[in-house]
Amino acid sequence: AQKVTQAQTEISVVEKEDVTLDCVYETRDTTYYLFWYKQPPSGELVFLIRRNSFDEQNEISGRYSWNFQKSTSSFNFTITASQVVDSAVYFCALSEGKTSGSRLTFGEGTQLTVNP
Amino acid sequence: KAGVTQTPRYLIKTRGQQVTLSCSPISGHRSVSWYQQTPGQGLQFLFEYFSETQRNKGNFPGRFSGRQFSNSRSEMNVSTLELGDSALYLCASSITSGRYTGELFFGEGSRLTVL
Repeated sequence: AQKVTQAQTEISVVEKEDVTLDCVYETRDTTYYLFWYKQPPSGELVFLIRRNSFDEQNEISGRYSWNFQKSTSSFNFTITASQVVDSAVYFCALSEGKTSGSRLTFGEGTQLTVNP
Repeated sequence: KAGVTQTPRYLIKTRGQQVTLSCSPISGHRSVSWYQQTPGQGLQFLFEYFSETQRNKGNFPGRFSGRQFSNSRSEMNVSTLELGDSALYLCASSITSGRYTGELFFGEGSRLTVL
């Protein structure tokens, strides 16, 4: 069975600090997809990144970066120079791609608060 | 480009009643999936529809059902409401379904309160 664990329930930082959100996953499939979503107070889940299991390259997008390591089944997310607008709940999710379609298994989420 | 639209945004029902939630996907998207979000259980997959066919179903009782219309709009229904059904129901649309799990675009959700 697939599982996603986000061990950090809440993180509080001061603006401009770097922060890393951890995500560990479990799956028996060799083909799978990993995602990060952001949920602001409005409730809508905002897509941040999708990574397939065959692509272990790290990715950087502006202040955001992701570190995917199959050896440790981790897909961690780093925000550099955090800003107040980054305050939200962040979810890591997994899909076993061949059969799961749009069925994502989400982690519990990490509430990030960035204080001015 | 209009996003995913869910209606109603908020509703209050009493135990035993039924409710129907609606989701209009992004134009051109044929896959619609539904998720339930509660403080205790987190985000859980309900079901997915693609081209009017249910493709996948989560572990929810038969009181939860859905359908998709030819224009890709989807509805989900919960009958005989229980207190535990109080949740944020999120709809997501995607261009593809199947071998390649694409980017899911979520709506703002319908917040259901059962009294």
